[in-house]
Amino acid sequence: GESVGLHLPTLSVQEGDNSIINCAYSNSASDYFIWYKQESGKGPQFIIDIRSNMDKRQGQRVTVLLNKTVKHLSLQIAATQPGDSAVYFCAGLGGSGGGADGLTFGKGTHLIIQP
Amino acid sequence: GAGVSQSPSNKVTEKGKDVELRCDPISGHTALYWYRQSLGQGLEFLIYFQGNSAPDKSGLPSDRFSAERTGGSVSTLTIQRTQQEDSAVYLCASSLGGGLQPQHFGDGTRLSIL
Repeated sequence: GESVGLHLPTLSVQEGDNSIINCAYSNSASDYFIWYKQESGKGPQFIIDIRSNMDKRQGQRVTVLLNKTVKHLSLQIAATQPGDSAVYFCAGLGGSGGGADGLTFGKGTHLIIQP
Repeated sequence: GAGVSQSPSNKVTEKGKDVELRCDPISGHTALYWYRQSLGQGLEFLIYFQGNSAPDKSGLPSDRFSAERTGGSVSTLTIQRTQQEDSAVYLCASSLGGGLQPQHFGDGTRLSIL
């Protein structure tokens, strides 16, 4: 089955630095992944997604890398800003935690931006 | 444009009571999902609706949980005979067509069982 987990519960970076949040998954059949940002009291906010036929995708200040060989996913945030402080979740489609189209979520990494 | 709307935003009820949580998906989105998020945890999938197809109920934790989606739009999640372990944030998401499409979330209903 699928499990999706994050390597670090908390990541602290200096404002202006780049940050990298990592995620491992277990189901090699997973074909779609999403990164979400969740601020306190809010629902998860879509950041970027990637399909398994890609190994990199870029958005505004964010890049997602997918390494299918080692079943690893990462989110890179460039030039972090105070507004980037939040909990970040990776989620994968398919696996024991979700239904046919229900996402399986990791537990989250709390990104803290230091002034 | 309006995002996913959930109501109520907070609900406090006594153990043993029934509760109904409502979700209004993004207009035009045919797929609707319910998830549960316990304190400090990731999200747990509960149920998925796609158009007029039978829902995927594989994530519902017990037969006290049920959900409906009337007219392919608004959905209601019902929890009967609530227990303290049902306390969580219940989140609804919708997507354009299900499958490999991003799911967009509402801000959830925070349910507290006394």
